Amino acid sequence: GAVVSQHPSRVICKSGTSVKIECRSLDFQATTMFWYRQFPKQSLMLMATSNEGSKATYEQGVEKDKFLINHASLTLSTLTVTSAHPEDSSFYICSARTSGGAKETQYFGPGTRLLVL
Amino acid sequence: GQSLEQPSEVTAVEGAIVQINCTYQTSGFYGLSWYQQHDGGAPTFLSYNGLDGLEETGRFSSFLSRSDSYGYLLLQELQMKDSASYFCAVLGNGGFKTIFGAGTRLFVKA
Repeated sequence: GAVVSQHPSRVICKSGTSVKIECRSLDFQATTMFWYRQFPKQSLMLMATSNEGSKATYEQGVEKDKFLINHASLTLSTLTVTSAHPEDSSFYICSARTSGGAKETQYFGPGTRLLVL
Repeated sequence: GQSLEQPSEVTAVEGAIVQINCTYQTSGFYGLSWYQQHDGGAPTFLSYNGLDGLEETGRFSSFLSRSDSYGYLLLQELQMKDSASYFCAVLGNGGFKTIFGAGTRLFVKA
């Protein structure tokens, strides 16, 4: 089946630094990737929708200058948390849709746990 | 806007059947999905309903009534490993956006 990877799986950084998270579709082409954030014992909150070759569409309340998303190829999307602060500590999960595949089929990455000190 | 409601917690015993309900409001409804998430892990896809009726996948079944904006996930022959959070997720905007409910924590007791 379709596999999505994320790197790193876990990152600890100092406040004020930037962190880049990669999301890759390993065996399929993903025209659309989604970025979610999940706080402990809460739901997945959609942050943005990323389409290959175009600007990401951000959800209301998500700062696009703070959470930079790049979807440069059909297999890679990156999320950069700029000037991270402790309140950005969370579980970040990406998912991908196969190009030409059913809209309901999303494959999730294993997530990246970010801790900002 | 879009919203989903599901119970926060459900407890059941091993071998039993449990139903997790989900009501939703969305524009451009396309379908309803269900995901399972164990603590510390990523969500895994369980089931999807685009049309009214029941979809069965092994021990899991999902139902949708579009006229009632309602669906449920049915888990049969519960096992301890089924203890997890279960999320309903609505595909809105014609299928281009997936919004998750708050999740239902299922506790399976021996």
